[in-house]
Amino acid sequence: AQSVSQHNHHVILSEAASLELGCNYSYGGTVNLFWYVQYPGQHLQLLLKYFSGDPLVKGIKGFEAEFIKSKFSFNLRKPSVQWSDTAEYFCAVNALRDSSYKLIFGSGTRLLVRP
Amino acid sequence: GAGVSQSPRYKVAKRGQDVALRCDPISGHVSLFWYQQALGQGPEFLTYFQNEAQLDKSGLPSDRFFAERPEGSVSTLKIQRTQQEDSAVYLCASSLGTSGTPEDTQYFGPGTRLTVL
Repeated sequence: AQSVSQHNHHVILSEAASLELGCNYSYGGTVNLFWYVQYPGQHLQLLLKYFSGDPLVKGIKGFEAEFIKSKFSFNLRKPSVQWSDTAEYFCAVNALRDSSYKLIFGSGTRLLVRP
Repeated sequence: GAGVSQSPRYKVAKRGQDVALRCDPISGHVSLFWYQQALGQGPEFLTYFQNEAQLDKSGLPSDRFFAERPEGSVSTLKIQRTQQEDSAVYLCASSLGTSGTPEDTQYFGPGTRLTVL
């Protein structure tokens, strides 16, 4: 069965620090990969997604993620975080051969950025 | 435009009661998904509709859970004889899905927080 692992459950950073959140998935076939973010009191919203092409994907608010197929990883990065990046971040995957296109989510990483 | 809306936002039920949770997807979105998010976990898939057809219900945890989307728009998730383990946030998401492409963005609603006492 597909699964997604996010190894960091809680991350605390100071403003301007660099961020990297890990995401690994287990699935042997072709997948699409997503990062969603949930700001306090708000809905889940898409940060960025990868489905083909350049493995380095740029998203909103200066975030980027790199798909490394050999490592089954899709880590999220941001060179300099801001206080407003405080949120919970979810990595998700869906499989091209799964006709329902359901998302399989990791357990999430709570990021706290201190001003 | 309007996003995905869900009602009620909060629901408290006594064990054994039936509940119904409503989802209004973005207008024109073909695909609709229900997810369950337990405390401290990521969302877990429950079921998927394409228009009015329920194409995947593999994530429904028991036969007490039932979902419908009779006119291909609004959807209702019904839980019969609620149990304490049903306490969770129930999320609805919709996507355009017109070409059945898996990279379609799923847009999430605010969720319904269900507490079963």
